[in-house]
Amino acid sequence: LAKTTQPISMDSYEGQEVNITCSHNNIATNDYITWYQQFPSQGPRFIIQGYKTKVTNEVASLFIPADRKSSTLSLPRVSLSDTAVYYCLVGDTWGYNKLIFGAGTRLAVHP
Amino acid sequence: NAGVTQTPKFQVLKTGQSMTLQCAQDMNHEYMSWYRQDPGMGLRLIHYSVGAGITDQGEVPNGYNVSRSTTEDFPLRLLSAAPSQTSVYFCASSGRVRDSGANVLTFGAGSRLTVL
Repeated sequence: LAKTTQPISMDSYEGQEVNITCSHNNIATNDYITWYQQFPSQGPRFIIQGYKTKVTNEVASLFIPADRKSSTLSLPRVSLSDTAVYYCLVGDTWGYNKLIFGAGTRLAVHP
Repeated sequence: NAGVTQTPKFQVLKTGQSMTLQCAQDMNHEYMSWYRQDPGMGLRLIHYSVGAGITDQGEVPNGYNVSRSTTEDFPLRLLSAAPSQTSVYFCASSGRVRDSGANVLTFGAGSRLTVL
């Protein structure tokens, strides 16, 4: 199982770019990297997924170096509504394994 | 398309009582799982299933049973509730969101359980 390590918490201000890095040193060849966002009293929801290099969607970018031992979630110009816990999860293509969450990163965005 | 539906949303039990948390998904996902989340903590995997008739233990399986008789349903049973099982329980199913890539978890809204 690919264990993930993230910073426990981060602080930012509205309008800034936020980068959250996740370490996954024993990632397997078939593993993808997926990031989830969780607001209080809600289940996590999918943000972005990638395998290598860079992936961008309407809410975030995901940067994955060539060795794939880490990944960085980038949130451009955060707002107060981005205050949440962010989890990175590593799992194989078929999803037929235990999907273990780490502690996540608690992001607080200040006015 | 309802996604993942959990019932009940709230439940209070006395120590020693048993109950079942229901989870149903309408996305035809093979993979389903149960997590618990204690206040201020991350999610811990209780049990998971890769298809009907197949279940396996996660990180914290003790005190919980599961079964998977259909693709759609994955109930979680508490056999004899204890105060340590006070938590929010999330059910999730996993399927692809595009043609390639790994599966992505879709979570239910959660079931808040208090054991007195």
